[in-house]
Amino acid sequence: EIVLTQSPGTLSLSPGERATLSCRASQSVSSSYLAWYQQKPGQAPRLLIYGASSRATGIPDRFSGSGSGTDFTLTISRLEPEDFAVYYCQQYGSSPHTFGQGTKVEIK
Amino acid sequence: QVQLVQSGAEVKKPGASVKVSCKASGYTFTGYYMHWVRQAPGQGLEWMGRINPNSGGTNYAQKFQGRVTMTRDTSISTAYMELSRLRSDDTAVYYCARSDYVWGELDYWGQGTLVTVSS
Repeated sequence: EIVLTQSPGTLSLSPGERATLSCRASQSVSSSYLAWYQQKPGQAPRLLIYGASSRATGIPDRFSGSGSGTDFTLTISRLEPEDFAVYYCQQYGSSPHTFGQGTKVEIK
Repeated sequence: QVQLVQSGAEVKKPGASVKVSCKASGYTFTGYYMHWVRQAPGQGLEWMGRINPNSGGTNYAQKFQGRVTMTRDTSISTAYMELSRLRSDDTAVYYCARSDYVWGELDYWGQGTLVTVSS
């Protein structure tokens, strides 16, 4: 089973700042089958990024993903008030399709 | 538009079973895989397994093997997840979510179903 480790656990930033979230895999993720999801309290997760770097439909271009192999990054170029949430990475290249433990982006 | 609508909250006793439904609309039900993901209170996301609604074939996470059964009824575009021998640590919100192929990202999610296991 591939273990995904996200860092940091919590990121305290102000609106307008840049957020950089990390997701490290215990072994190489097949074909960059790595996704990022955003989850707000009381809501289902929402797909942001798939294939490590492709934005899902309707996702603003301030969200970008990069990386390959075992190291992946989600960048939010300028935080908007609605971006404060928990972010999860998921690998779906091998079973089970594991998730990271999440990074909470909170208002400083 | 794509919608996944799940059944309502459940309260079960330890040792019982629960069956959660997920009704799909707005797309061809048999053309997409359906996954189940759960989230314990205040915790992260945990992938449980998936079903191919076209063939009925399933793939379960080893952790749930022997306790989970995923089925579908194509006539009503509905997927089901049944979890047996419930324990208190099965208390969680259970989500269905679809992907467009077997190794696919989860692009649409249901609203979630809270299952509470308590004596």
